Amino acid sequence: RKEVEQDPGPFNVPEGATVAFNCTYSNSASQSFFWYRQDCRKEPKLLMSVYSSGNEDGRFTAQLNRASQYISLLIRDSKLSDSATYLCVVRMDSSYKLIFGSGTRLLVRP
Amino acid sequence: DAGVTQSPTHLIKTRGQQVTLRCSPKSGHDTVSWYQQALGQGPQFIFQYYEEEERQRGNFPDRFSGHQFPNYSSELNVNALLLGDSALYLCASKEGNEQFFGPGTRLTVL
Repeated sequence: RKEVEQDPGPFNVPEGATVAFNCTYSNSASQSFFWYRQDCRKEPKLLMSVYSSGNEDGRFTAQLNRASQYISLLIRDSKLSDSATYLCVVRMDSSYKLIFGSGTRLLVRP
Repeated sequence: DAGVTQSPTHLIKTRGQQVTLRCSPKSGHDTVSWYQQALGQGPQFIFQYYEEEERQRGNFPDRFSGHQFPNYSSELNVNALLLGDSALYLCASKEGNEQFFGPGTRLTVL
């Protein structure tokens, strides 16, 4: 079983749509959680950290459910520029080793 | 600030050869991590360097080795290349709770 699992997609949505991605992680000792965005043939970039209380950054909302070992990302009012691969990431401890899921691909169409 | 830089951007090698990839972290960052990203997968942690020593290692064979220099820059060496080593190799340095990735070196093994 992979340590971090995501639906690979692709999710193909029209502009303005709301789309949600889910992710599960296997190790209950995971301490920190993130969503990274990766454009085609580019490096991953931090989109947002994920906290148990839930957090929002503009059109993006992230949620963490430690009991279910489940992380989500909600994107409202999708833009063409949101088209990318979204990587769910966990970190076990303070060593900064990141454990990535395989990513979920989002395509936003006009 | 140039951010994390890596060289070369692309590289083609044949099976059995050896390769050296280079990384310069963001100014002031003293910890460097290396990741391997195969096509369609998330990045996989190779190892992390701090104070010129390997501090943590992922599930990679001894053919993968590294080095960190006093100026915090780092090298990743891969010996006896296999076809399966073809991937994007990413270097990352950290600041606070965030890791910043370089643009990567795309290695093709023929």
